[in-house]
Parts: sequence; structure tokens; C-alpha cells
Amino acid sequence: AAGVIQSPRHLIKEKRETATLKCYPIPRHDTVYWYQQGPGQDPQFLISFYEKMQSDKGSIPDRFSAQQFSDYHSELNMSSLELGDSALYFCASSLGGGNTGELFFGEGSRLTVL
Amino acid sequence: GENVEQHPSTLSVQEGDSAVIKCTYSDSASNYFPWYKQELGKRPQLIIDIRSNVGEKKDQRIAVTLNKTAKHFSLHITETQPEDSAVYFCAASSTTDSWGKLQFGAGTQVVVTP
Repeated sequence: AAGVIQSPRHLIKEKRETATLKCYPIPRHDTVYWYQQGPGQDPQFLISFYEKMQSDKGSIPDRFSAQQFSDYHSELNMSSLELGDSALYFCASSLGGGNTGELFFGEGSRLTVL
Repeated sequence: GENVEQHPSTLSVQEGDSAVIKCTYSDSASNYFPWYKQELGKRPQLIIDIRSNVGEKKDQRIAVTLNKTAKHFSLHITETQPEDSAVYFCAASSTTDSWGKLQFGAGTQVVVTP
């Protein structure tokens, strides 16, 4: 079965650089969520999109932005990278913006900022 | 916002014994409580979930109980096996937020020794 696809899987950047992470949800899933997980930490909700509109916002820094495109894939753009941005970034998708089913996580993108 | 506390932070059990992880939440509007298993560097995987209209749910060796009045829920793993070793996260989702906006607990490192 098709799963949530994230790219790149690994990314190394220098401080103050920019990074873009991509997420391709499960086919027909219309809702995407982004989570950030630091080393030894629990996943922290960043932002979500339902039908290409931002549906909720969490602890996402102003340096980060995201959007969902017409094909439902989503991109997380991170600028002025800091050492503390080093983390695993997970994208998850679901069907429907409401309480309708399981949240499916991708394998994650590991960002290392040097 | 929602706050989820999880205990214990580490749990060592002998193979075949039971493991219990407990979580409390603060937002009375929370109505969805999933449990995730995460192996090092991997994505969180849903192992069981429960909704606020149910008090208990079981799936083979795994069970979850929910006490809405006390705002706590627990994960029970029976007949533990070495492959159950992982970090387990509880989470909660509130009706006041988008459904997939999960507030995670800090996680429990479970080690099952043969």
C-alpha cells in the first residue's frame, strides 16, 4: 500500500542557510500535518493543511513557512537555519480534516544544521 | 492548550511480564487518544487508539483504558516480547483543534529483556 513519502530523507545544511522539505500524502488524503522531533524529544506539532488551506498552527517558528499544493503535496520551507533546527521532521496525512481516521506518518526527513 | 504527562519515562520488564504506561491530560475537550510505538530513528507507528465514548479497547496483547472523569488513560502490554522494546508515546487530540494536531507525552522507553 502507498504510504506518505517524504524527501529528502537526510539533509545537511549550514547555519543561516535555507532548506525545503517535501511531503507527498497517501493518495486521496487531503490533510497534511508537519511535526518536528528533536533528539530524545516527543514530536511537536508545527502546522497542518486541509484542502490546501492552513487548518491549524502550532509551535512553528516565523522563519518557517509551509503550503499545500493543488495535488495535495506539501512543502515546509525553513530559512535562516539555526543549530536548534536539527531534528527529524515528520509529515503525516489523513483523510478529511475532522475526526475520521488514522494519522499516517512518513519516514521523516532528518535535518542536520552545522 | 493541552498538556499530556506520561509516566514512567523508562520501563524495564522481563520477557513475558506485563508493561503499563500511564498518561494524564488537561483539556477536557480532548476526545481522541492514540498510542504510538517508535523505534530509534523511525517514524511513530500507531499501535492502538481510543475515543472518548469508549472506556476500554483491546487488540491482541495490547489494551488501552480511558477514564474521562480523571482525565487519564493507560496502555497495557501483556506477555511482552523483546520486539516490544521501543519508545512509546501517548497523545491527545482536542475537539477545539484540528484532529491530527496531537499533543504527545514525553515518551516511555520500554526495554524487554529475554
